[in-house]
Amino acid sequence: IQMTQSPSSLSASVGDRVTITCRATETISSYLNWFQQKPGKAPRLLISAASILQRGVPSRFSGSGSGTDFTLTISSLQPEDSATYYCQQGYSPPCTFGQGTKLEI
Amino acid sequence: DVQLLETGGGLVQPGESRRLSCAASGFTFSSYVMSWVRQAPGKGLEWVSSISGSGGSTYYADSVKGRFTISRDNSQNTLYLQMNSLRAEDTALYYCAKDGPLRFSFQNWGQGTLVIVSS
Repeated sequence: IQMTQSPSSLSASVGDRVTITCRATETISSYLNWFQQKPGKAPRLLISAASILQRGVPSRFSGSGSGTDFTLTISSLQPEDSATYYCQQGYSPPCTFGQGTKLEI
Repeated sequence: DVQLLETGGGLVQPGESRRLSCAASGFTFSSYVMSWVRQAPGKGLEWVSSISGSGGSTYYADSVKGRFTISRDNSQNTLYLQMNSLRAEDTALYYCAKDGPLRFSFQNWGQGTLVIVSS
């Protein structure tokens, strides 16, 4: 199963609403996770099962989708959201990641 | 708190072997799927391998199948990755990750250990 994210990079301003999409080459139900990675740091799980916000993750982050098409939305961008975001399917091994979306504020 | 500490990285010559370890604490180790995920310098994340809580089921990326072996010692709360026949393209930061609420959702990560394969 291949995962394709778009866009590969984007630049936005504080307060903007940002959407990142992730598409799977076959259905993965809701077994889709989103990660945030800042330079020099380990990835952080933001959302599991397509839409379940992890503890401690700000509510401006949300996820949606099922089957093959998924989105990560940041409702009101903050400076600390500058990072690279990855989707990943947990439906079946190999547990592929998307190529990443670099978000600049 | 969950803690994962990877060790064993370093400079390795092509064709050689290396074993990575991940010491886990703060949770019931044997209850969770554990995984290795790597990241080549300046590149994205690549899942490498996962192992069930009992160790009875293992999964590998095609890129490492037949060369890498994942294992765990639940009595020592330690995850391993035995890497044989290393290639330049295996150069990466190797992360240990603990599963989350769903299978193959990497909820907790270590800080990684760097493996450089070069002559």
